[in-house]
Amino acid sequence: DGGITQSPKYLFRKEGQNVTLSCEQNLNHDAMYWYRQDPGQGLRLIYYSQIVNDFQKGDIAEGYSVSREKKESFPLTVTSAQKNPTAFYLCASSIEGLLFSGANVLTFGAGSRLTVL
Amino acid sequence: EDQVTQSPEALRLQEGESSSLNCSYTVSGLRGLFWYRQDPGKGPEFLFTLYSAGEEKEKERLKATLTKKESFLHITAPKPEDSATYLCAVQVLSGGSNYKLTFGKGTLLTVNP
Repeated sequence: DGGITQSPKYLFRKEGQNVTLSCEQNLNHDAMYWYRQDPGQGLRLIYYSQIVNDFQKGDIAEGYSVSREKKESFPLTVTSAQKNPTAFYLCASSIEGLLFSGANVLTFGAGSRLTVL
Repeated sequence: EDQVTQSPEALRLQEGESSSLNCSYTVSGLRGLFWYRQDPGKGPEFLFTLYSAGEEKEKERLKATLTKKESFLHITAPKPEDSATYLCAVQVLSGGSNYKLTFGKGTLLTVNP
């Protein structure tokens, strides 16, 4: 079945460490996104990518980095510069770039929960 | 600044007790309004897209409606399996040909048997 796979589901990090969250999709979608979800807040966009080898900052990109070397993969690195990284991270994809075209539906992965010790 | 407000924050219903969730927005250039369902510890799942005032969409016990200022998600005779957080998101034009998607904080629905 087509979908988005995020790993790991749970991740613990010590302060000062970088960690990378994996996101893989087999939907043949062009666009991919990373969102952060915190209790009592709406989903906030970290980074998005419309095509391979291209990505743009979202609303809260500071302390994060991404790459898009393959259409299927969009990993997110949470760097030590991110001051409050404990959160639930969601990867999503859409057929084409949501932000540059019509109302496209987002398909989400199951999420990765990062906890800083 | 574009705003999306969902109310109530939490709603507890008895099985079979119909009710509505609200999503109000203050945006210009609405392109679409989305409803998603999110189960605990999982990613959101798409329910509906509404494009223009007066539009309605239904799926099983759920019916979504849209006006110029708000959307309602009506739940008829809910069952315990309808318990989830329901998210609303609006897509608006944001400079040139770009669009922006803004999510509300969600409504946590609990349906007791």
